[in-house]
Amino acid sequence: AQSVTQLGSHVSVSEGALVLLRCNYSSSVPPYLFWYVQYPNQGLQLLLKYTTGATLVKGINGFEAEFKKSETSFHLTKPSAHMSDAAEYFCAVNGGTSGTYKYIFGTGTRLKVLA
Amino acid sequence: GAGVSQSPSNKVTEKGKDVELRCDPISGHTALYWYRQRLGQGLEFLIYFQGNSAPDKSGLPSDRFSAERTGESVSTLTIQRTQQEDSAVYLCASSTDQSRNEQFFGPGTRLTVL
Repeated sequence: AQSVTQLGSHVSVSEGALVLLRCNYSSSVPPYLFWYVQYPNQGLQLLLKYTTGATLVKGINGFEAEFKKSETSFHLTKPSAHMSDAAEYFCAVNGGTSGTYKYIFGTGTRLKVLA
Repeated sequence: GAGVSQSPSNKVTEKGKDVELRCDPISGHTALYWYRQRLGQGLEFLIYFQGNSAPDKSGLPSDRFSAERTGESVSTLTIQRTQQEDSAVYLCASSTDQSRNEQFFGPGTRLTVL
């Protein structure tokens, strides 16, 4: 069975510092991987996704993530945090096989940006 | 174009009452998902539809919860005899029938059971 683990339910960084949010997955087949962001009182919005091809994926708002098959990881990074990045971030995995549409979400990481 | 819409945006009900939550997916999206998000917690999968059928209902927490979808469009999540622990935000999402594609989320319905 697939699963997603997000290390750190809360992460605090200073404005301008590197953001690193960790995501590890378990899957018997190469999955499709997603990062979503949820701002307060809003729905989830896609930041970026990995399906096939280049393992370094760039998303919106300066975020990027690298798919590392050997480490079964898909960590989210941003070189310089901005106050507006404060939100909750969810990593998700999808089976990647035809007909497998169920998405498994991690428990989320709440990012706090300190002035 | 229009995104996923949900109604009502907020619902306050008394313990023991039934509630219906509605989701209108993006037109043409064959897959539809319901999630529950309790305060301060992650997304809890409830059910997903492929067309009008629900191949996976494994996340429904009890037989008080049910969902249906008609016309490969609108879906209704019904909670009977609501309990205080049902208080949460209920999120709906839809996607095309390609597993590599993202889910598009609605804004959610905030349910409060008094």
